[in-house]
Amino acid sequence: EAGVAQSPRYKIIEKRQSVAFWCNPISGHATLYWYQQILGQGPKLLIQFQNNGVVDDSQLPKDRFSAERLKGVDSTLKIQPAKLEDSAVYLCASSAGTRYEQYFGPGTRLTVT
Amino acid sequence: GIQVEQSPPDLILQEGANSTLRCNFSDSVNNLQWFHQNPWGQLINLFYIPSGTKQNGRLSATTVATERYSLLYISSSQTTDSGVYFCAVLSGGYNKLIFGAGTRLAVHP
Repeated sequence: EAGVAQSPRYKIIEKRQSVAFWCNPISGHATLYWYQQILGQGPKLLIQFQNNGVVDDSQLPKDRFSAERLKGVDSTLKIQPAKLEDSAVYLCASSAGTRYEQYFGPGTRLTVT
Repeated sequence: GIQVEQSPPDLILQEGANSTLRCNFSDSVNNLQWFHQNPWGQLINLFYIPSGTKQNGRLSATTVATERYSLLYISSSQTTDSGVYFCAVLSGGYNKLIFGAGTRLAVHP
């Protein structure tokens, strides 16, 4: 069974530029999550989708971050404009439902200079 | 919100040694997962264990939900066990997985 796929794996941009990350969840998983992991910390949830609807985006900085999950499968996370403090690893995860085991992708390491 | 505390924060072992990692949480939970984050950053699922005991090879985990803690046991450690071990909980009142700060393990040959 294929795992969660993410791209790109690495991205370096200058502050005020925009960037987008892509995630393809495990086939059949209805719930998709985006996490931000700052160096030395545990992952923090940014947004959670159930099919193509948003369940929780309370920790998403909506003035610069946006996310969508069209057709309830793939998802994209965008940052515009990026700030230095956005440097982190962005992890995508999926699960069969809200309270089921979550599986993580390899992550995208973002460096903002 | 729910608090998740992991101990110890750092651990150094010689290959072959055993260790116990602890996760304390401040409220009742519906879900508890242990992950290993390898040096390349990949989060690998170890256990899904909201209660009880499970074993997988050299690793085992026990969650005592009534006392709000979970333990991860690593026996006969190997250099490939190095990395960060995270405990994460999903509490009754929330739909988000809350991670602890992790235990950083280094196993030396």
